[in-house]
Amino acid sequence: DARVTQTPRHKVTEMGQEVTMRCQPILGHNTVFWYRQTMMQGLELLAYFRNRAPLDDSGMPKDRFSAEMPDATLATLKIQPSEPRDSAVYFCASGRGQGAQEKFFGPGTRLTVL
Amino acid sequence: AQSVTQLGSHVSVSEGALVLLRCNYSSSVPPYLFWYVQYPNQGLQLLLKYTSAATLVKGINGFEAEFKKSETSFHLTKPSAHMSDAAEYFCAVSPVRNEKLTFGTGTRLTIIP
Repeated sequence: DARVTQTPRHKVTEMGQEVTMRCQPILGHNTVFWYRQTMMQGLELLAYFRNRAPLDDSGMPKDRFSAEMPDATLATLKIQPSEPRDSAVYFCASGRGQGAQEKFFGPGTRLTVL
Repeated sequence: AQSVTQLGSHVSVSEGALVLLRCNYSSSVPPYLFWYVQYPNQGLQLLLKYTSAATLVKGINGFEAEFKKSETSFHLTKPSAHMSDAAEYFCAVSPVRNEKLTFGTGTRLTIIP
């Protein structure tokens, strides 16, 4: 049963610390997405990749957030320095092909910045 | 830019009653449309999608949705609600030519026993 995996599932950190979230997409999927979910803003697309190349990161605060795909089996989202307003659930999703492809979501990383 | 509006952040229905969750889209050309479900502390799961084929789309768990261009709507329905349907439901839109998915604000569905 292929699934998107995310680590850690929960992270509590203090303001100013670096946070790294990891995602393993489903094997064979060539698109990867990072979403952030908060009560106030709902689900926001932060960035997405196709074939490991970043296609759109316009939803991501560039001064503190960075997203990379070191290889086809790993996507990372880093926040440095973290701030309380970054507290949210961060979802990774992967898909195959283009257009109306189904996106498979991971279970999310719940981040709390104190 | 494309967007979707979900009317009603909370909907309650009795078990066995009709479920109707509303979604309207805004797009200059017909987009692809999706409904996702999120159970507590889980990621999102695709219920169904419209990709310009049949306007009535059937999905998992007995849900279906009808694309109505004249009304710019893509409402989600289920004839008879089950307790297991309690969850949050998201309507989403993407352009035909790329994968960028934009979500609505979600509707929390509560089932009354």
